[in-house]
Amino acid sequence: EVQLVESGGGLVQPGRSLRLSCAASGFTFDDYDMHWVRQAPGKGLEWVSGISWDSDNIDYADSVKGRITISRDNAKNSLFLQMDSLRAEDTALYYCARWDTESADAFDIWGQGTMVTVSS
Amino acid sequence: SSELTQPPSVSVSPGQTATITCSGDKLGDKYASWYQQKPGQSPVLVIYQDTKRPSGIPERFSGSNSGNTATLTISGTQAMDEGDYYCQAWDSRPAYVFGTGTQVTVL
Repeated sequence: EVQLVESGGGLVQPGRSLRLSCAASGFTFDDYDMHWVRQAPGKGLEWVSGISWDSDNIDYADSVKGRITISRDNAKNSLFLQMDSLRAEDTALYYCARWDTESADAFDIWGQGTMVTVSS
Repeated sequence: SSELTQPPSVSVSPGQTATITCSGDKLGDKYASWYQQKPGQSPVLVIYQDTKRPSGIPERFSGSNSGNTATLTISGTQAMDEGDYYCQAWDSRPAYVFGTGTQVTVL
């Protein structure tokens, strides 16, 4: 079964750091670009960051640039999001999503999400 | 910056057709995708590359994209189709843009 499982969320104070992880299974991880998409409570979807299959191409939304670092470990089928200098507006459910470049040009698989709450 | 605008809500009677629009500058020049999100669940891809349905998505879901507007059509809408729908396109900056979202209610 194709699956993405996020972890690492929690309650954190403003200005602190958090590292999210996404474990992939059921497919050849290094065949795909991977992304993080977030959703603030009661709000819509917001793309956060993406990384190509070989880590050569990385991009960030303007809202997080300079504070967030995406990375991946293909040997461990894992995607990461290092979040520094967290702000209240970073409070959201963070989804890991697979981008299918070959067939769909879309986010075809999503994890269940991990909640990040930034509050003092 | 690119923005994709959707109507906040659409109401439809069971068995009728629901039409959800997504407007953006020269959207027809890009591929549009659509995602369904039911309460408490993760998004699910229902349309990709403007018109194609992933395996397992019912035929009542269809899409089109031309000019500045992409459209998701749900024919013969069922109660199970209730939820939020988001369009999405790939652009130069920001790279991956989602629409504002539309809540579909089946009355």
